Amino acid sequence: ELKVEQNPLFLSMQEGKNYTIYCNYSTTSDRLYWYRQDPGKSLESLFVLLSNGAVKQEGRLMASLDTKARLSTLHITAAVHDLSATYFCAVDAGTYKYIFGTGTRLKVLA
Amino acid sequence: EAGVTQFPSHSVIEKGQTVTLRCDPISGHDNLYWYRRVMGKEIKFLLHFVKESKQDESGMPNNRFLAERTGGTYSTLKVQPAELEDSGVYFCASSSDREARETQYFGPGTRLLVL
Repeated sequence: ELKVEQNPLFLSMQEGKNYTIYCNYSTTSDRLYWYRQDPGKSLESLFVLLSNGAVKQEGRLMASLDTKARLSTLHITAAVHDLSATYFCAVDAGTYKYIFGTGTRLKVLA
Repeated sequence: EAGVTQFPSHSVIEKGQTVTLRCDPISGHDNLYWYRRVMGKEIKFLLHFVKESKQDESGMPNNRFLAERTGGTYSTLKVQPAELEDSGVYFCASSSDREARETQYFGPGTRLLVL
């Protein structure tokens, strides 16, 4: 059974700092998603990573995928308050089900 | 284009009552999914429709949960009778092409609290 571990669960960081959220999964997958959720809002798709070594960047967020290590990272560069949200990784193991991590609640302090 | 919508946004009911959640997928999306997040844990798959047919309901917790998608458009998820452990956030998602493994688009969720 595919399991996804995401850490940290909570992250409080100062504006301008860098940090990384980690997403490990237990079995082979070639597709990984990162979502962002603001309170009371929909999960917003941030990145779709489709192959080993894939790297995608959008603004201050950069996501990467290492399928051999079964690891994805979401790197935050020079955080700003607007990035405060809960971030989820989700793995598609070749079926239509997404297996989610527990989410990382990020709070960026001014 | 409107996204996935869910109604109600919040529901507070007493144990033993019935609640029905509704999901309207993105227009034209044949695939509709229900997920649930309980007590700050991970979001877990409940079931999947293709049009009006249930493809997989392996994640449904028990027979108190009934999902329908009449006409292949909107879907409802009924909990009857509700128990305390049913509290959580129920998400709906839709996608256009399952074979192509298109991204699932999520709604804002319905926050259910069973007292």
